[in-house]
Amino acid sequence: KAGVTQTPRYLIKTRGQQVTLSCSPISGHRSVSWYQQTPGQGLQFLFEYFSETQRNKGNFPGRFSGRQFSNSRSEMNVSTLELGDSALYLCASSLTGKEGYTFGSGTRLTVV
Amino acid sequence: AQKVTQAQTEISVVEKEDVTLDCVYETRDTTYYLFWYKQPPSGELVFLIRRNSFDEQNEISGRYSWNFQKSTSSFNFTITASQVVDSAVYFCALSEAPNTGGFKTIFGAGTRLFVKA
Repeated sequence: KAGVTQTPRYLIKTRGQQVTLSCSPISGHRSVSWYQQTPGQGLQFLFEYFSETQRNKGNFPGRFSGRQFSNSRSEMNVSTLELGDSALYLCASSLTGKEGYTFGSGTRLTVV
Repeated sequence: AQKVTQAQTEISVVEKEDVTLDCVYETRDTTYYLFWYKQPPSGELVFLIRRNSFDEQNEISGRYSWNFQKSTSSFNFTITASQVVDSAVYFCALSEAPNTGGFKTIFGAGTRLFVKA
């Protein structure tokens, strides 16, 4: 069965721009979580969605937002990009959220 | 507050050695879940195991084994007879269910394991 698909794989943006990342979870998985991974901060939780509702949010500024659609696909948006937003953004899905997550390959965002 | 500590930043072993990766967690919840993930050089995180807070039984899967001890808030991972393919970054994670519903999973900083031939 297909895994978690994230698009695009790589992205280069300039400061001040905004970006939208996409995630298609495994079919049947309703919980989708997003993480930011950087060498300095490690894996940091961004938010979790279930059935189109954001259930939890990490400690990130309001420039980071997301949504989930009725087919469980999810997007995250970062507005007014800063150099520090350069990172690998990982999406993960699970059936309900308490099982182990299946991760996508990530979107590597570079802000210049 | 949630916290996961992996005190070992890097471990280097020679093939066939046994190696234990430590994980200590903090939580106020009585119901929580613990996980281990592997991130090989290719980059994709791979789920290895989940344990819930009510199940302290140790588990063995091939060369992998896990020791969960609530008394010391630890969930350690041992690889027996390590192989070069075990070289990766290993993450321990803790998932709680906040009052808002759903789950919030946080990860430790990871332990980078080098297995030399």
